[in-house]
Amino acid sequence: QVQLQESGPGLVKPSETLSLTCSVSGGSISSYYWSWIRQPPGKGLEWIGYIYYSGSTNYNPSLKSRVTISVDTSKNQFSLKLSSVTAADTAVYYCARRSRGVRGILRFGGYYYNYMDVWGKGTTVTVSS
Amino acid sequence: QSVLTQPPSASGTPGQRVAISCSGISSNIGSNTVNWYQQLPGTAPKLLIYSNDQRPSGVPDRFSGSKSGTSASLAISGLRSEDEADYYCAAWDDSLNGPEVFGGGTKLTVL
Repeated sequence: QVQLQESGPGLVKPSETLSLTCSVSGGSISSYYWSWIRQPPGKGLEWIGYIYYSGSTNYNPSLKSRVTISVDTSKNQFSLKLSSVTAADTAVYYCARRSRGVRGILRFGGYYYNYMDVWGKGTTVTVSS
Repeated sequence: QSVLTQPPSASGTPGQRVAISCSGISSNIGSNTVNWYQQLPGTAPKLLIYSNDQRPSGVPDRFSGSKSGTSASLAISGLRSEDEADYYCAAWDDSLNGPEVFGGGTKLTVL
């Protein structure tokens, strides 16, 4: 089955750029959306953004000015860059697969639904000098 | 402060039924489907319910979801000690073509 693994530096200095990669194994990165989510210590989940395998992206407006998500289909990987980090960016960062389905028939009131069905184990990133 | 509102805690004894609520507004829960995620201590979230009331394969039928208007609910029947976890609701928000928004999480304690 599909597995995801996050990798990258565990410590980043303030004002620098956080860079993480998510490696997809057991399946192809094609035909899916791929997300990044983070969780500050002791707090809830925050969606960062997603990328389609073709390269189109959608970012959380609160982070949009600092976030870049990219995909490398040849390596079956996608990446996150978050610039100008501060201590508030300290968190566990998760990557996840975003799947899509259709319920009913669209022209008769059916609709799309989305969900994150495969998650990586997460990687802790601390922002500190 | 989270966009979707959940009670911070819930509890029950083994065998009981508990329900966790999730409240939103027209642009998120009112317009889109709701997903629920279970996060066991020290682990990554796991998809528990998708599209309001659908269970992925492998999720016991003790877990059920529902949605009405701008609110959703997760019910757990026949509570077991291994259900002790944090539970998060999530939905897309149409207000700015996103983001995906989460509730603040509910910590379920099995007494």
